[in-house]
Amino acid sequence: GAVVSQHPSRVICKSGTSVKIECRSLDFQATTMFWYRQFPKQSLMLMATSNEGSKATYEQGVEKDKFLINHASLTLSTLTVTSAHPEDSSFYICSAYTATAGNTIYFGEGSWLTVV
Amino acid sequence: DAKTTQPPSMDCAEGRAANLPCNHSTISGNEYVYWYRQIHSQGPQYIIHGLKNNETNEMASLIITEDRKSSTLILPHATLRDTAVYYCIVRVNSGGSNYKLTFGKGTLLTVNP
Repeated sequence: GAVVSQHPSRVICKSGTSVKIECRSLDFQATTMFWYRQFPKQSLMLMATSNEGSKATYEQGVEKDKFLINHASLTLSTLTVTSAHPEDSSFYICSAYTATAGNTIYFGEGSWLTVV
Repeated sequence: DAKTTQPPSMDCAEGRAANLPCNHSTISGNEYVYWYRQIHSQGPQYIIHGLKNNETNEMASLIITEDRKSSTLILPHATLRDTAVYYCIVRVNSGGSNYKLTFGKGTLLTVNP
């Protein structure tokens, strides 16, 4: 299947700072990427949908000014958690859509964020 | 997207077939059935998807009932590495942003030695 890579896989940051997570589609062009958050023992919660070259669409309850999403190219989307708080500590996962391979969505490995 | 219902957990003996059920009684005619699994602390892995015909790939088989209101994912020879949470998701198969996947709680499959 297609490969989606996230970086970093783990990051620790101090409260009040910002941290950026990258999501790359390595062997295909992704017109649409999705960002999820997952707390321990819970399911994935969709945060936002991003289309290349346009503003992201955020799910209800997700603060767009806190979770900045940029999808500047067909192979890269970034999620920036601004003014991080300990409650932002979570597992963040991106996914990318490709029209090839049966319109399947592929997921990255996920990024663990710990805010101290 | 239509909602799905899955049992919260299942057990399976190593080497035996694992049959994971999913109910999607409100599925629409243009919605596909997708299966993903998530091994602890990893991103979800695509397994298989189908519309109305049964499907098979190197990982699993997908059996969809004729009325499309339920389906079964079959792992023919489960191994310990198949222990994971399995998610059944239904969604339309067109339209860019409409591709978003909404995850339920899934089924925790535990393969026992």
